[in-house]
Amino acid sequence: DAGVIQSPRHEVTEMGQEVTLRCKPISGHDYLFWYRQTMMRGLELLIYFNNNVPIDDSGMPEDRFSAKMPNASFSTLKIQPSEPRDSAVYFCASARSSKTYTIYFGEGSWLTVV
Amino acid sequence: SQQGEEDPQALSIQEGENATMNCSYKTSINNLQWYRQNSGRGLVHLILIRSNEREKHSGRLRVTLDTSKKSSSLLITASRAADTASYFCATPGGGADGLTFGKGTHLIIQP
Repeated sequence: DAGVIQSPRHEVTEMGQEVTLRCKPISGHDYLFWYRQTMMRGLELLIYFNNNVPIDDSGMPEDRFSAKMPNASFSTLKIQPSEPRDSAVYFCASARSSKTYTIYFGEGSWLTVV
Repeated sequence: SQQGEEDPQALSIQEGENATMNCSYKTSINNLQWYRQNSGRGLVHLILIRSNEREKHSGRLRVTLDTSKKSSSLLITASRAADTASYFCATPGGGADGLTFGKGTHLIIQP
C-alpha cells in the first residue's frame, strides 16, 4: 500500500492567500484525521471524519479553516485567508475502525506563511 | 488539550546504551500507544499496550503501563544511531476517536 499521501509537501505563501492541503488516505480506512504540529503546541487534532462525515471539528482554530471529504479517497484542508501564525506542519492520518486502532500518518505538508 | 506528557523533553545517550522515556496521562484509558517521528517525516506507530497489560515487548522495545500511576515507559535497548528521533505517547482523546499526543521526547544517539 502507498500509505497516506499528502500534497503539497512544502508550501510558502503570502499572508492573505488561500492555502489548500490535500490528502489521500489508505484504501479501506474509514477514519481520516487532520493534525497540526508546531514547536509550541505540539500535535493538535484539528478535525476528523468517519465514513466521509465530519465528526468533531472542535480543534479547528477558527472560521478561516475548513475541511472537506467529498469521497473515501480524498480530503482537503483549506485556510482562507492565511496568516503567519498558521505556519506549521499539517498531517493527514487515517485508520481502520476497530475497538483499538493505530493511526497511519502521511509525511506532512510544511506550510510557511510570510 | 493534551492528555499525555513525555519526560524528559530531550535525551542524549551514547550508542549501545539503553534509552528510557516516560509518559504520564490524566484520565483513564483503555490503551496507550507509542509513536516515533524522524526529522521531517510523519509519525510511525511503534507499539500499543492495553490497559490490562503491564508490559509488552517488540524487538528492542519494551513498554510498561502502570494504570494506578497513570504512567507508561518506553525502553529502547542497545540503542543505535538510527533510533535518533522524537518519541510520542498517544492516548484515546476524551470522547473523540482521535488520539491525543504529548509533546514528545527528542532522543539523540551519539555514535
